[in-house]
Amino acid sequence: DTEVTQTPKHLVMGMTNKKSLKCEQHMGHRAMYWYKQKAKKPPELMFVYSYEKLSINESVPSRFSPECPNSSLLNLHLHALQPEDSALYLCASSQLTTGHYGYTFGSGTRLTVV
Amino acid sequence: GQQVMQIPQYQHVQEGEDFTTYCNSSTTLSNIQWYKQRPGGHPVFLIQLVKSGEVKKQKRLTFQFGEAKKNSSLHITATQTTDVGTYFCAGPANAGGTSYGKLTFGQGTILTVHP
Repeated sequence: DTEVTQTPKHLVMGMTNKKSLKCEQHMGHRAMYWYKQKAKKPPELMFVYSYEKLSINESVPSRFSPECPNSSLLNLHLHALQPEDSALYLCASSQLTTGHYGYTFGSGTRLTVV
Repeated sequence: GQQVMQIPQYQHVQEGEDFTTYCNSSTTLSNIQWYKQRPGGHPVFLIQLVKSGEVKKQKRLTFQFGEAKKNSSLHITATQTTDVGTYFCAGPANAGGTSYGKLTFGQGTILTVHP
């Protein structure tokens, strides 16, 4: 299995809703990431988990709450989002092995906040 | 902080023409990675370069890492319509070059190929 699976693929939510994005990988990667991408822009890092512990939070607003229940799963809990949070949310994973730096991205969740 | 500049931002070519995108970092990189994102898709890892002056080829794609490990290029020979997409370079944001952590992405080059 060489994939990162993200669900849902599309999500429309109101500003008062609570929703969660899910990400799963079975490649044995011990680093997992959440990225946000706006149209025609590069991905922007939000969070990094290594060995299931949060190691980087790029000053993301608290309305985004990550969770890593185990080494294969990564969640992003959303609450009270703003329309400007509409974007493609990408999960990625990578090995924690020297010499292997490439990330495997999931196909993303296209989020629209109304 | 570290910056990775990528040019051009857009490139329109006729099918069969060559294409090159360039990446420049403000700091020395321990490695550089290249990704391709098709329209409506997600970034897909193409390759990593680690050694100074390294050149790697994947069919019609040639990747180079500069001698000073601050610049890189991706060259596509005889473009095809399947090459359409955005090409990103990315390097580790920390000088130590750990195998995880923040990647600094270039702004990307959007390639359009006219048949």
